Amino acid sequence: GDSVTQMEGPVTLSEEAFLTINCTYTATGYPSLFWYVQYPGEGLQLLLKATKADDKGSNKGFEATYRKETTSFHLEKGSVQVSDSAVYFCALSDRGSGNTPLVFGKGTRLSVIA
Amino acid sequence: KAGVTQTPRYLIKTRGQQVTLSCSPISGHRSVSWYQQTPGQGLQFLFEYFSETQRNKGNFPGRFSGRQFSNSRSEMNVSTLELGDSALYLCASSPLIGTGRETQYFGPGTRLLVL
Repeated sequence: GDSVTQMEGPVTLSEEAFLTINCTYTATGYPSLFWYVQYPGEGLQLLLKATKADDKGSNKGFEATYRKETTSFHLEKGSVQVSDSAVYFCALSDRGSGNTPLVFGKGTRLSVIA
Repeated sequence: KAGVTQTPRYLIKTRGQQVTLSCSPISGHRSVSWYQQTPGQGLQFLFEYFSETQRNKGNFPGRFSGRQFSNSRSEMNVSTLELGDSALYLCASSPLIGTGRETQYFGPGTRLLVL
């Protein structure tokens, strides 16, 4: 079945550092790809998404590019802030193969220190 | 527009009891999905409803069930609770179903503790 693999962390960075969280996927069809963020005590919020190859999703300084050739959707941010501390989930949706609405990676906990 | 709401936010039950969780989707959204989040297993899909019909079901035992009402509100029920059912239960809604490109909007979750 479909799956998502992401670095599990935790990742600890200093403020203004560069962030990369790796995400790779396997899918039988042509999935859409998502990054969700979960702040402490809250549900998941969509951070960005991409629905076809070479699409770049971006939001709040975060970016990720849908790379079909490497089956990857790595999350990047040029300069992290303390307020970015959260758990980040990579996910895919592969409706073509009749799968679930979203298949998630295990999540990556990011801590940003001042 | 109000977001996805879930009630109750916190719940403590004992083994063997049953529990019902409620989810109200964003106004106009007709699809509701449920996920279980635990530290060990991460986020796992439970079921998906659209227009009062279950369209997808995850790999959970029959103790887990759900339904959707004509106003798109959804409930999930867990019977004969086990310690391993302790988790954060998340509900998500979307306007449509089936393209794979739709965004799922999540509620804050219901945290269930089984003692």
